[in-house]
Amino acid sequence: KNQVEQSPQSLIILEGKNCTLQCNYTVSPFSNLRWYKQDTGRGPVSLTIMTFSENTKSNGRYTATLDADTKQSSLHITASQLSDSASYICVVSDRGSTLGRLYFGRGTQLTVWP
Amino acid sequence: EADIYQTPRYLVIGTGKKITLECSQTMGHDKMYWYQQDPGMELHLIHYSYGVNSTEKGDLSSESTVSRIRTEHFPLTLESARPSHTSQYLCASNQDRAVQETQYFGPGTRLLVL
Repeated sequence: KNQVEQSPQSLIILEGKNCTLQCNYTVSPFSNLRWYKQDTGRGPVSLTIMTFSENTKSNGRYTATLDADTKQSSLHITASQLSDSASYICVVSDRGSTLGRLYFGRGTQLTVWP
Repeated sequence: EADIYQTPRYLVIGTGKKITLECSQTMGHDKMYWYQQDPGMELHLIHYSYGVNSTEKGDLSSESTVSRIRTEHFPLTLESARPSHTSQYLCASNQDRAVQETQYFGPGTRLLVL
């Protein structure tokens, strides 16, 4: 069964600290992996997209890594800010259909305290 | 900022009422999607469209219907709302010309059926 599992479910950190969010997936075949940020009451916004051949991709203070062999990805947030408080969703796309189906994780709820 | 809009943002309605959730995008995207998301849970695809006059059901069974008469417009209709329809509904779109192309999400409609 194709699944995307994220950990931890929730995380609280102090402003200025770093953190790392994890994503494990069993989706096969694999096309790409995306990390989205979803603020409360808003739609998800794309942070990074990585294909099979990419190991790391950065977007400002966000750095995503991908190990396609172990089917694991991480999202590292550096020098966290209050505005980083949100749900971070890992999404994996397969290439088994013309739709390029997306499999969504449940997200990690990050809270940054001052 | 994505040019994809949803109205209303919030809706409280009584059981049995007919409702239409509006979604429009000004990016000229062919592919559009409707997702349902409950708090703390993953997004579930309920409908998608490849273009004008194309609509398909997604993974999650839904009593809603959609139409795609114009490229920019993808409304979702519930003929008779029930409390079980209470959820957040997210609309998304993309052109899908490249593997790494992201989906753009609207801000969502939070629906409460009493």
